[in-house]
Amino acid sequence: AQSVTQLGSHVSVSEGALVLLRCNYSSSVPPYLFWYVQYPNQGLQLLLKYTTGATLVKGINGFEAEFKKSETSFHLTKPSAHMSDAAEYFCAVSEDGTASKLTFGTGTRLQVTL
Amino acid sequence: GAGVSQSPRYKVAKRGQDVALRCDPISGHVSLFWYQQALGQGPEFLTYFQNEAQLDKSGLPSDRFFAERPEGSVSTLKIQRTQQEDSAVYLCASSLGGGPGANVLTFGAGSRLTVL
Repeated sequence: AQSVTQLGSHVSVSEGALVLLRCNYSSSVPPYLFWYVQYPNQGLQLLLKYTTGATLVKGINGFEAEFKKSETSFHLTKPSAHMSDAAEYFCAVSEDGTASKLTFGTGTRLQVTL
Repeated sequence: GAGVSQSPRYKVAKRGQDVALRCDPISGHVSLFWYQQALGQGPEFLTYFQNEAQLDKSGLPSDRFFAERPEGSVSTLKIQRTQQEDSAVYLCASSLGGGPGANVLTFGAGSRLTVL
């Protein structure tokens, strides 16, 4: 069975600082990996996804993530945090690329301070 | 429509009442999913439709939960005899279906259910 672990339920960074949100997964087959962002009272919005090919994936709003098979990781980064990045971030894995049945982590709340 | 629409956005029910939550997916989206998100947790899969066929209902927590999509478009999640542990945000998502490249899920804003 697949699973996702997000280390750190809360992360606080200063505006302009590096953002690093950690995600480790467990999967019995090559996974499809996703990062979603959730703003208060809104639905989940896709930031980026990894399916096959290039292991460094670029997404919206300046975020990127690198798939590292040897470390079973898919950490999310952004070089310079902005106040508008404050939100809840979810890492998710799918083993069945045709059905998109996602298993989500418990989420990391990102706080950005001045 | 432009996005996935869910109604009602907020629902308060007394324990034992039945509730129905509606999802209008993006027009033309073949696949439709329901997820349950408890407070402070990530979404958890409930059930999946491809057109009108319910292909996977392994995540439904009990036989009090029932979902349907009779015409392959709008879907309704029904919860009978609600219990306090049913309190959560119920998220609906849809996708084009087909191959992996088409399978990005678009989520609605959710229906927040509170059972008193």
